[in-house]
Amino acid sequence: EPEVTQTPSHQVTQMGQEVILRCVPISNHLYFYWYRQILGQKVEFLVSFYNNEISEKSEIFDDQFSVERPDGSNFTLKIRSTKLEDSAMYFCASKGRIYGYTFGSGTRLTVV
Amino acid sequence: AQRVTQPEKLLSVFKGAPVELKCNYSYSGSPELFWYVQYSRQRLQLLLRHISRESIKGFTADLNKGETSFHLKKPFAQEEDSAMYYCAATNAGGTSYGKLTFGQGTILTVHP
Repeated sequence: EPEVTQTPSHQVTQMGQEVILRCVPISNHLYFYWYRQILGQKVEFLVSFYNNEISEKSEIFDDQFSVERPDGSNFTLKIRSTKLEDSAMYFCASKGRIYGYTFGSGTRLTVV
Repeated sequence: AQRVTQPEKLLSVFKGAPVELKCNYSYSGSPELFWYVQYSRQRLQLLLRHISRESIKGFTADLNKGETSFHLKKPFAQEEDSAMYYCAATNAGGTSYGKLTFGQGTILTVHP
């Protein structure tokens, strides 16, 4: 079964720095998502992406966040100026007709 | 508001005992319900979806529209079932673009 790949698995960054989390969704999937899981809390929706634009976003997804699908393969989440409270596990997911919703293994972001 | 509730944060059973993880939802329209499992901080893995009505690893879940519940059950728990379990829902149609709403999660521990 195809997989969603996320890199890096763990990222440590200083507060105020920019980070880019990378994801390679399953090819032929049309819908792409980012979710966040703060330690000890539930998985929260951040943003969905369809047809090369944001289709829906949560209140968490403020101006500090952006997403891109620069080359038709990668799907990135950028946090412009990280805050301590951005520390979390970030999951990428993609959705298609055959395999449905598939999650990546996540990137653990630690802001120090 | 769309909401998924898992009332039990922790659930402990002994090996061979029956287990039931509760999930209630509050959703407009006709939601699609899922159970995801997460082993030791690994990726979220789809366990069940209500529309397929299948049994995976001995687990089953029945959608009860009257009680708005989608409880996960297994008649004989195994130690390898110990994990975090998430109930999730999405609107099958509409304009949600497939966004998943997760419950808080239930940590299941199966003792030998």
